[in-house]
Amino acid sequence: RKEVEQDPGPFNVPEGATVAFNCTYSNSASQSFFWYRQDCRKEPKLLMSVYSSGNEDGRFTAQLNRASQYISLLIRDSKLSDSATYLCVVNPAGAGSYQLTFGKGTKLSVIP
Amino acid sequence: EAGVTQFPSHSVIEKGQTVTLRCDPISGHDNLYWYRRVMGKEIKFLLHFVKESKQDESGMPNNRFLAERTGGTYSTLKVQPAELEDSGVYFCASSPRQGNYGYTFGSGTRLTVV
Repeated sequence: RKEVEQDPGPFNVPEGATVAFNCTYSNSASQSFFWYRQDCRKEPKLLMSVYSSGNEDGRFTAQLNRASQYISLLIRDSKLSDSATYLCVVNPAGAGSYQLTFGKGTKLSVIP
Repeated sequence: EAGVTQFPSHSVIEKGQTVTLRCDPISGHDNLYWYRRVMGKEIKFLLHFVKESKQDESGMPNNRFLAERTGGTYSTLKVQPAELEDSGVYFCASSPRQGNYGYTFGSGTRLTVV
């Protein structure tokens, strides 16, 4: 089983649509969780951290369910500029390790 | 503020040759990380420096890979000798302190071994 698994995608949605991505992780000891965004042939950029209480940043809402070991990202009112690959990222180990484990990513295309 | 700079942006080398990738982190960032993405796979951790010391090198694939960070500033990643399976995009990232996951990634070096 992969450490971080994401929806296979791709997701093709019209502008203004709401889209949700899910991600599961295998290591129950994982401490920190993130969504990164990666544009084509560019570097990953941190979109938002994910907290147990859920958190929102504008049109983006992230949720964490530790019991089920899954993470979600909801994008409301999709914009053309949201087209990118969304990477689910986990810090799998406890204190002393700061490496990140990435999912393969889910590609989103927002269509006019 | 200058970002994380990687050089070269692209490199094409023959199997058996040596290649050295360079990363200049954001000034003042003690933590420097190397990651790579091979085609069709997810981005994977290679190693983590705190200043000039290797904090975690558990992701280094084999002894053909050597990373250094002399003086705690820029870092180099040398692959010697390169194999076909080393092809991929090598990313460097830096952060100001441990536990701060607001990593800034460089734009990567795309390595092709032929």
